[in-house]
Amino acid sequence: EPEVTQTPSHQVTQMGQEVILRCVPISNHLYFYWYRQILGQKVEFLVSFYNNEISEKSEIFDDQFSVERPDGSNFTLKIRSTKLEDSAMYFCASSRDRQDTEAFFGQGTRLTVV
Amino acid sequence: AQTVTQSQPEMSVQEAETVTLSCTYDTSESNYYLFWYKQPPSRQMILVIRQEAYKQQNATENRFSVNFQKAAKSFSLKISDSQLGDTAMYFCAFMSRFGNTPLVFGKGTRLSVIA
Repeated sequence: EPEVTQTPSHQVTQMGQEVILRCVPISNHLYFYWYRQILGQKVEFLVSFYNNEISEKSEIFDDQFSVERPDGSNFTLKIRSTKLEDSAMYFCASSRDRQDTEAFFGQGTRLTVV
Repeated sequence: AQTVTQSQPEMSVQEAETVTLSCTYDTSESNYYLFWYKQPPSRQMILVIRQEAYKQQNATENRFSVNFQKAAKSFSLKISDSQLGDTAMYFCAFMSRFGNTPLVFGKGTRLSVIA
């Protein structure tokens, strides 16, 4: 069964460093998302991406964040200068098309900023 | 803005018994979608069940069913014949009717199924 895959499963980074989280969405899906979950809190929407551009973003998704689909298969989330409060689980998700309400999630990347 | 509230941080149930997880939400929209996602220890979130607000009939998926009370803005999940593999975090989520709009999640309920 097709699935969304994320790498790495766990990343530790120094505060102020850049980090790139990678996702491979399901191959025939057109919409991609990043969500994050700070420990003990709810899952929060960061950004959605369609047709090689951001479709929607939350207020969390500030200038420190960027997304890219560099090669037609990977979908990346970059955090330019990590802060301690960026420590969280980051989930990638994809859905088939605009009318589809089912999002398929990856297993998440746990980011720890020290 | 929409909000989703899950008032039970943790619950437990004996194997083969039935358990109900609560969820309430707040929205001014009349058409929308509601979801229950399961997040087992493997961390991957899996869609359990989906309800379209304009459908009065409660959704069911095998052992999983919902009690959707639109006027009360309540969307509870019932798990019948609980199995050890049902042990997971369960998230209630809301999506606007337009589809492909962001999911708004509750804080989750950690369910433990006890042998």
